[in-house]
Amino acid sequence: SQTIHQWPATLVQPVGSPLSLECTVEGTSNPNLYWYRQAAGRGLQLLFYSVGIGQISSEVPQNLSASRPQDRQFILSSKKLLLSDSGFYLCAWQTGDQSEQYFGPGTRLTVT
Amino acid sequence: GQQVMQIPQYQHVQEGEDFTTYCNSSTTLSNIQWYKQRPGGHPVFLIQLVKSGEVKKQKRLTFQFGEAKKNSSLHITATQTTDVGTYFCAGSLDTGTASKLTFGTGTRLQVTL
Repeated sequence: SQTIHQWPATLVQPVGSPLSLECTVEGTSNPNLYWYRQAAGRGLQLLFYSVGIGQISSEVPQNLSASRPQDRQFILSSKKLLLSDSGFYLCAWQTGDQSEQYFGPGTRLTVT
Repeated sequence: GQQVMQIPQYQHVQEGEDFTTYCNSSTTLSNIQWYKQRPGGHPVFLIQLVKSGEVKKQKRLTFQFGEAKKNSSLHITATQTTDVGTYFCAGSLDTGTASKLTFGTGTRLQVTL
């Protein structure tokens, strides 16, 4: 069966520091991968999605970037965090023959 | 761009009462999905509706897709405390392999005894 992992689970970082969040999927090949951000008590905002290794589409201009160095690995990064980057970051996967998405446990990021 | 709104934002019911959340898209959708997010958790896929006017049931939950494929509803009969959480609809315009979802604003359901 497929599983999706995210780490770390929680993170507190100072403004201006770098960020790296990792997401890995097991049990499936060539998934579509997604990064979402959820502000407290709000909906989900799509940040990036990827249909294959090295292929990244950005949905919202921001100081974040994403990379997909391996088929089942998706990384969210920032060189310098802003206070507004605080939120709950969710990674999701989807296979090509279905449209529903399956989410990882998420990373709660607080920028101080 | 595409917008998906949900009403109400919040509803508090007593256990045993019914609950309905409504979802409206600014554009015609290819399909609509519903997710549930428990407090502190991540969204979990519930169901997908594809056909105009489609109705699907999962035990006490009834999902409906509008005739124009621009709106949807989720109805819970006789709520239980286990129904607590935020319910999101998510619309897709895509029929291809990369299905981008636009999530609704969510309806938070609180159930008390």
